[in-house]
Amino acid sequence: GENVEQHPSTLSVQEGDSAVIKCTYSDSASNYFPWYKQELGKGPQLIIDIRSNVGEKKDQRIAVTLNKTAKHFSLHITETQPEDSAVYFCAALAGTALIFGKGTTLSVSS
Amino acid sequence: NAGVTQTPKFRVLKTGQSMTLLCAQDMNHEYMYWYRQDPGMGLRLIHYSVGEGTTAKGEVPDGYNVSRLKKQNFLLGLESAAPSQTSVYFCATGTSSHNEQFFGPGTRLTVL
Repeated sequence: GENVEQHPSTLSVQEGDSAVIKCTYSDSASNYFPWYKQELGKGPQLIIDIRSNVGEKKDQRIAVTLNKTAKHFSLHITETQPEDSAVYFCAALAGTALIFGKGTTLSVSS
Repeated sequence: NAGVTQTPKFRVLKTGQSMTLLCAQDMNHEYMYWYRQDPGMGLRLIHYSVGEGTTAKGEVPDGYNVSRLKKQNFLLGLESAAPSQTSVYFCATGTSSHNEQFFGPGTRLTVL
């Protein structure tokens, strides 16, 4: 079955710096890759997603890149702000169900 | 609109007790999911449903049962709770597998 690896598990940056989180997946048939942000005490919320027919997608300070050949995808956050501090999860669609990575705790200090 | 709600928010059980977690949605979504979240383990899918009257197993289905008798409700049952089922449980809904999932606020369950 699908396996999703996410790195790093923790990431600390200074406000204004960029943050990059990377994920790899194992099933070459996977074709949908969302990223979720989870704030303390809340459920995860979708921040951006990418489908396999696209190599890159941007939404303001957030971008996601996908390399299907290497089976990896990455989340890029530019000009980080303290409110970006949260746990971020990548996921890959395996059949009809998402398989999530173990999460990255991002801390942005001002 | 309430979106996705979960009942209860917190619960403490003794080993061997049973309980049912309720997920309710007013978004008219076909797909509903139950996940558990444990420290360092991310989100793991327990069971899911692609429509009223249908259910399917996810990654970690053992010890749980589900029912989707009404489109707006998805119930997760624990027949005989074990300490290994101590976790935070999240329900989610969606229009299809290839689109955004909307998560509820979670239920924190402790099994002693």
